[in-house]
Amino acid sequence: DGGITQSPKYLFRKEGQNVTLSCEQNLNHDAMYWYRQDPGQGLRLIYYSQIVNDFQKGDIAEGYSVSREKKESFPLTVTSAQKNPTAFYLCASSAYYSNQPQHFGDGTRLSIL
Amino acid sequence: GIQVEQSPPDLILQEGANSTLRCNFSDSVNNLQWFHQNPWGQLINLFYIPSGTKQNGRLSATTVATERYSLLYISSSQTTDSGVYFCAVGNYGQNFVFGPGTRLSVLP
Repeated sequence: DGGITQSPKYLFRKEGQNVTLSCEQNLNHDAMYWYRQDPGQGLRLIYYSQIVNDFQKGDIAEGYSVSREKKESFPLTVTSAQKNPTAFYLCASSAYYSNQPQHFGDGTRLSIL
Repeated sequence: GIQVEQSPPDLILQEGANSTLRCNFSDSVNNLQWFHQNPWGQLINLFYIPSGTKQNGRLSATTVATERYSLLYISSSQTTDSGVYFCAVGNYGQNFVFGPGTRLSVLP
């Protein structure tokens, strides 16, 4: 079945450590997105990519980095510069950027040890 | 940027009741989606509805783009309908903006 796979479901980070969240899609979508959700809040955009080898900062990009080397993959690295990384992270994709419905993965919960 | 409001913020229903959730947005949009986030955090796509009316089982949605609002109707609610309902809107060349959500609790 086509869809978006995020891994791991749960992740723990030590102080000063970088961690990478995986997002893979087999929907042949051009655009991919990373969102952050804090408890009881809505979703905020971290980074997005309209096409392979291109990505743009969203509203809260500080302390995060991404890459888009393959169409199906859009990993997110939470760096040590992100001082409050504990949150629920959701990856999404759409056929094209803008004007297309977004489809979401099941998310990764990141916590600080 | 576009501002999105949702009402009510919280809603408690008895199983079998009907409800209407509202999404207001501050500018014209060409992309509007309704999502249900279940208690496990999964975000389920309910409707892609930049304009018009759609129905899917007990759920239906209407967007009046000229008046900048959308409504989500839930009929004969079930406990599995509990969770948070998000409206998200976007426009050409712009990113999606999510509303703050409506938290629905359906009691048995």
